[in-house]
Amino acid sequence: DVKVTQSSRYLVKRTGEKVFLECVQDMDHENMFWYRQDPGLGLRLIYFSYDVKMKEKGDIPEGYSVSREKKERFSLILESASTNQTSMYLCASRPRRRGDTIYFGEGSWLTVV
Amino acid sequence: AQSVTQPDIHITVSEGASLELRCNYSYGATPYLFWYVQSPGQGLQLLLKYFSGDTLVQGIKGFEAEFKRSQSSFNLRKPSVHWSDAAEYFCAVGSNDYKLSFGAGTTVTVRA
Repeated sequence: DVKVTQSSRYLVKRTGEKVFLECVQDMDHENMFWYRQDPGLGLRLIYFSYDVKMKEKGDIPEGYSVSREKKERFSLILESASTNQTSMYLCASRPRRRGDTIYFGEGSWLTVV
Repeated sequence: AQSVTQPDIHITVSEGASLELRCNYSYGATPYLFWYVQSPGQGLQLLLKYFSGDTLVQGIKGFEAEFKRSQSSFNLRKPSVHWSDAAEYFCAVGSNDYKLSFGAGTTVTVRA
């Protein structure tokens, strides 16, 4: 069965803290994604990666960075968390073949206080 | 640039009644289209997808969607709704650079 695992489901962090959100997939997919989900806005793409050590900015990259040192792992980093980054973060992966299904993790709820 | 509009923020439907969720997209080329469902506190699950060919697509849980190029629409339907269909539904359009753009979502409430 397809599996995208986000290790932290619920986090509470203080303003200014550095935050790491980890995502692991076990399907040998080339492409991985980080989305942010907010009510009324749907899912917005933060960053994606199409290969190890490769990354591209999505629609809302400001305040975020990513790391992909291994094919199965894609990390989202908030260098200095702010309250407007309180949100649900969804990791996803898919094969390289165009149009193929994206598989999502269960999400990480981040609250910044 | 691609975009997706889901005109209905919230729909309430009686159990056993039919359901139709609207989705309109904007994309210059032939799109890849998807419908996902999200239960509270969970990630997104794929219901169905359209790449090419037959414009009526069958998915899981009894859902279907019809691609209408002339109307730039990909509406989702189910003939008879069950209480377990209460969830949030997202339409998405894919482009050739592998990204998906999502609509804002439609929340479905099912009343007994």
